[in-house]
Amino acid sequence: AIQMTQSPSSLSASVGDRVTITCRASEGIRDDLGWYQQKPGKAPKLLIYAASNLHSGVPSRFSGSGSGTHFTLTISSLQPDDFATYYCLQDYSFPYTFGQGTKLEIK
Amino acid sequence: QVQLVESGGGVVQPGGSLRLSCAASGFTFSTYAMHWVRQAPGKGLEWVALIRFDGTNKHYIDSVKGRFTVSRDNSKDTLYLNMARLTTEDTAVYYCAKAQSRYLDWNPLEYWGRGTLVTVSS
Repeated sequence: AIQMTQSPSSLSASVGDRVTITCRASEGIRDDLGWYQQKPGKAPKLLIYAASNLHSGVPSRFSGSGSGTHFTLTISSLQPDDFATYYCLQDYSFPYTFGQGTKLEIK
Repeated sequence: QVQLVESGGGVVQPGGSLRLSCAASGFTFSTYAMHWVRQAPGKGLEWVALIRFDGTNKHYIDSVKGRFTVSRDNSKDTLYLNMARLTTEDTAVYYCAKAQSRYLDWNPLEYWGRGTLVTVSS
């Protein structure tokens, strides 16, 4: 199975900050990667698909980049609603695999 | 709008069985692959299984192969997960999720249900 290594595992930041989360795949996955946001007690939500495409209704402060084995999720200016846990997921081959998650907390 | 509602969770003894359901609405269920994903308490997300839009292809994570079976009834817009020989490691919230694109197996999980909790305990 493809391993997804996500970093950092946690991150403290302030409203207005720019933050970047990274995911590395153990082998090339083209651009078959999505980013998901999960808040406590809630279902995950798709933010970015195909590495860099914004899902419908997602604010433009979220962006994704990368291909092959290295991917990033960037939030350009953190808003209070963005404090959550973020996961990457490769949908290149089965079994699909998630990164370990990044918990974004308020500084 | 898309709605996915899971049910069937509960407390079951180790070695027992359980059947989860996911009722879908707001989209043409029969044209989308569907997934199950689980999350153990306080842990990250783990993809569990996929079933193709017409039920002809299925994939599972290794740890559930031979114990879990994913199925669907397109006439009832319902997804199922039959779980057998359960262990404490299977304790988790189980989410169903809809694939993003019609007819394709390999694509993102676009919408998710709220999940149903399965607790395996004696």
